[in-house]
Amino acid sequence: AQSVTQLDSQVPVFEEAPVELRCNYSSSVSVYLFWYVQYPNQGLQLLLKYLSGSTLVKGINGFEAEFNKSQTSFHLRKPSVHISDTAEYFCAGGETSGSRLTFGEGTQLTVNP
Amino acid sequence: KAGVTQTPRYLIKTRGQQVTLSCSPISGHRSVSWYQQTPGQGLQFLFEYFSETQRNKGNFPGRFSGRQFSNSRSEMNVSTLELGDSALYLCASGLGLYEQYFGPGTRLTVT
Repeated sequence: AQSVTQLDSQVPVFEEAPVELRCNYSSSVSVYLFWYVQYPNQGLQLLLKYLSGSTLVKGINGFEAEFNKSQTSFHLRKPSVHISDTAEYFCAGGETSGSRLTFGEGTQLTVNP
Repeated sequence: KAGVTQTPRYLIKTRGQQVTLSCSPISGHRSVSWYQQTPGQGLQFLFEYFSETQRNKGNFPGRFSGRQFSNSRSEMNVSTLELGDSALYLCASGLGLYEQYFGPGTRLTVT
């Protein structure tokens, strides 16, 4: 993707509530899209990815995302969050013919008891 | 399968010095990419190596360089360190862009 925008820098939510983290991308070519999670003092862990095919993608830890080509979006959702989901989440994209990822600015998800 | 390892995990250097960071990819992975993460600029692509050749390069000054060895291990070097080079440097290995695994990073502090 040529650019990736995460629409919320911080999302506070209560435990067991649903959450949506929003991501838009901009590209004139075919892209792969990803969501990564980063816990404090750690690297990035892949949550899920869209390569092609079904627009609803399921990932680890109960997360899922929907690829919407007409709205150029790739929002991340979870129906019920836990305290342990508190972390920073990054949306990323890359051209299918390329070899680099472009990251969004990150969304800090804070789950409160 | 062992994950991506990066050494050292933490590093403190003085302005003007140079530094070398190391990344060992997952066994069998021939592609290694480097990213810089800072609070102000976020995650930015530095470069990617595949089979010892630099295949892609980000928009960083020439002070940032890298290389890859025949066993796919990679090093990145930053010369003439500046305060703004303080960052978390992340390495990722993969079979392609569609499958990338990140290491824990090296935290570089320049004083």
